[in-house]
Amino acid sequence: NAGVTQTPKFQVLKTGQSMTLQCAQDMNHNSMYWYRQDPGMGLRLIYYSASEGTTDKGEVPNGYNVSRLNKREFSLRLESAAPSQTSVYFCASSARPSGTPRGSYNEQFFGPGTRLTVL
Amino acid sequence: AQSVSQHNHHVILSEAASLELGCNYSYGGTVNLFWYVQYPGQHLQLLLKYFSGDPLVKGIKGFEAEFIKSKFSFNLRKPSVQWSDTAEYFCAIRTPSNNDMRFGAGTRLTVKP
Repeated sequence: NAGVTQTPKFQVLKTGQSMTLQCAQDMNHNSMYWYRQDPGMGLRLIYYSASEGTTDKGEVPNGYNVSRLNKREFSLRLESAAPSQTSVYFCASSARPSGTPRGSYNEQFFGPGTRLTVL
Repeated sequence: AQSVSQHNHHVILSEAASLELGCNYSYGGTVNLFWYVQYPGQHLQLLLKYFSGDPLVKGIKGFEAEFIKSKFSFNLRKPSVQWSDTAEYFCAIRTPSNNDMRFGAGTRLTVKP
């Protein structure tokens, strides 16, 4: 199992350009997440998808869109990149143990990250 | 919304010293608590988690954490650190009522050989 994979690993954009970060997991997890990591601020949730077909805003969704393409894949799109979006982006996934009530999710498994620089 | 505070931004220790990293959260109800570690250049990995039961939780690599509900705390401890423990440590909280997990700002640990 590869776990959670992300592409690309590095990206440099000019202000106003668009791009899509890709994430895939092979653990048959229901939920997937996108975070950004900035120095001194820890990880902040951008968007998440509790299950295939659903997406919800997290703590810092402005300037981003997401697509849960299928159970395995969850992409993050920057329509018009800004320098403030320079960050390291992490995708994560988690499972909900069968037979447990909603909310009893297991821990999250993280991808290797994408380092994005917007000039 | 719930939030997490990690008051130590950077901790420097010598090998074999004992470690305690503070984590406090703000939420009045039932919580799930996690400690993640990020080694230099790597992604986050789970150290340990608390969902319910025994408030003293043991994780990988000799780490443990104690959940003290009255203090809203979940401090991470290790009796004797090694140079290989140099990393950034993140405390995180999730409430069972939603799917949103909040992370603290992280504590950078440097262990001198």
